[in-house]
Amino acid sequence: SQQGEEDPQALSIQEGENATMNCSYKTSINNLQWYRQNSGRGLVHLILIRSNEREKHSGRLRVTLDTSKKSSSLLITASRAADTASYFCATSGSARQLTFGSGTQLTVLP
Amino acid sequence: GAVVSQHPSRVICKSGTSVKIECRSLDFQATTMFWYRQFPKQSLMLMATSNEGSKATYEQGVEKDKFLINHASLTLSTLTVTSAHPEDSSFYICSARDTSGGAGTDTQYFGPGTRLTVL
Repeated sequence: SQQGEEDPQALSIQEGENATMNCSYKTSINNLQWYRQNSGRGLVHLILIRSNEREKHSGRLRVTLDTSKKSSSLLITASRAADTASYFCATSGSARQLTFGSGTQLTVLP
Repeated sequence: GAVVSQHPSRVICKSGTSVKIECRSLDFQATTMFWYRQFPKQSLMLMATSNEGSKATYEQGVEKDKFLINHASLTLSTLTVTSAHPEDSSFYICSARDTSGGAGTDTQYFGPGTRLTVL
């Protein structure tokens, strides 16, 4: 079932700018993951943050997690045209299944 | 990183026929694989959890007799869409869970997806 909401639904920025996407969820989680999907393709795993972590970095990606607010954010710094894609958060709970958010369509203009 | 393959990548079939989609974990063993479907511009919806050596667990509203899942080995799960109809046209994506990183990781690696078009 769909439990995550992401905002914005769509985001358009200029190359070089930072992009921030937010994700909210409803139930308790073990971890939260972010994925990227290019149009018509499979998902690429970007980063996983555990429920006891608050922030994590990977290259140009920065993820935060606030379990008290049941929310997470993904920041992409110095965006590139190649970052254009849909981004999904996904939560993993006690059932160890992934529940996906609604996604954010990011467009980076050259 | 871990690689998951799907075959075929694209299939077009006539209404009433059955279509089999394969999902393979290429460099790790996966006791659990998942099948999702995704409609255009929408998110992924979990259809079923495929467990090696046991019956699949289907999500509410997913017909188990229509979407047959077989997880015969630690690296292969198949989804068969039986008696396909145009409304079954969708993007089907599988994933495999790699737990070799230890507890709390549960990273899922996704296949490239299969575009099914039923005429």
